[in-house]
Order: sequence, then C-alpha cells, then structure tokens
Amino acid sequence: ETGVTQSPTHLIKTRGQQVTLRCSSQSGHNTVSWYQQALGQGPQFIFQYYREEENGRGNFPPRFSGLQFPNYSSELNVNALELDDSALYLCASSLPDGLYGYTFGSGTRLTVV
Amino acid sequence: QKEVEQNSGPLSVPEGAIASLNCTYSDRGSQSFFWYRQYSGKSPELIMSIYSNGDKEDGRFTAQLNKASQYVSLLIRDSQPSDSATYLCAVSMRLLGNQFYFGTGTSLTVIP
Repeated sequence: ETGVTQSPTHLIKTRGQQVTLRCSSQSGHNTVSWYQQALGQGPQFIFQYYREEENGRGNFPPRFSGLQFPNYSSELNVNALELDDSALYLCASSLPDGLYGYTFGSGTRLTVV
Repeated sequence: QKEVEQNSGPLSVPEGAIASLNCTYSDRGSQSFFWYRQYSGKSPELIMSIYSNGDKEDGRFTAQLNKASQYVSLLIRDSQPSDSATYLCAVSMRLLGNQFYFGTGTSLTVIP
C-alpha cells in the first residue's frame, strides 16, 4: 500500500508567477483535500475533490484552482502568486466524508519572493 | 468564532507527567473528531479519532468527547520527550460539507 506523495518538496517562485503542485493519493482513497499551512498556524482548508469534481472550498480566492484525475491524483494551481502565498501546502487523501481520517503527504514548501 | 479553537500554548510538562490538550468547535452537528501530531517541518500524523461521547483510550493517549459542550480533549499519560510536537485538533464540519477544519494547534514540550 502506498501513501500520499507530493511533488515537488520545495519550490521558490517570483511574485506574479504561476505554480502547479501535484499529489498522488493513498491506494484505495478517492477523495483529495488541499490545505495551506502558514508558519505557526494550523492547516487552512483550500478545497476538496471527489470523483474529479470540486466538493467544497474554503475561503481562498479563485486564483487557487485544482483538478482531480481518474486515478484520483490531484493538482493545485495558484496563479498570480503573492508573497503571502508562501507556506507549506499539504495534500490529504481519504475515503468519502473523511471516514477514518485524512492521510497527509509530506507537503510542498512554497516560497514566493 | 472560529470553527475549531485550541490554546496555542506553548504547554510544557515534565517527563512522566500527564499532558492535557483541549479543543472546542462551533458546529454542534459535527460527528467526527481527530487529533493529529505534527513535528516541526513535517506533515500532520493521525494519532486518535473519536466519534461518540466519552473516552477512547489507545496506549498512552486518551481522547475525550463531550458533544453537548462542543469540546474534545487529548490526554497524554507518562509524557516522553518524543511527544514534543504540535498537536492539531480536526473536526469534520457537517455544516461545511464534512470537510476537516483544523485548530491552530497546541505546541507541547516535554522536559526531560
């Protein structure tokens, strides 16, 4: 059984650029959720994907968008990067409704300069 | 009011003591509650889940849930230095599509 994998592990981008982060879900999990975690804060819910459709969204602007693929892997895209987007981006996979909890990937550390 | 609230700490306890971590949540209809441990620079790791009122024990960890008071806690008995981490409370919020919402986390330091 494979866990949740995220790529890349670290990324440095310039303000105004665009970035794509990738996530492969744990075997058997069909739901993927993305979180942003700023330093010293708890994870903030960005959005969730289930069956390739967005299944809920937190308080993030439209420049944060995502996709889920038929194999349940997912992408997070952020356009027009701002300095405040610097954070750890966490992907979590689960069964529907989070039954038995979420399993997190190791995260992508994004730095916007 | 935030969806999930925790005391940010830091909380320091001596080795061998009991550490008590608390969490309150806003959605009275929430049904699923989780505690995650996060070491510095790492991703959160699930350590406990609880769904019914009362206590649930797993080794040195006990989760306690009181839905009437909208309160969930985590007790760590015989605390070890390796328990030093940030503990995150997560609640599956029924009114928000059953997505998980996290508190800001409580930083715990166990002093040898």
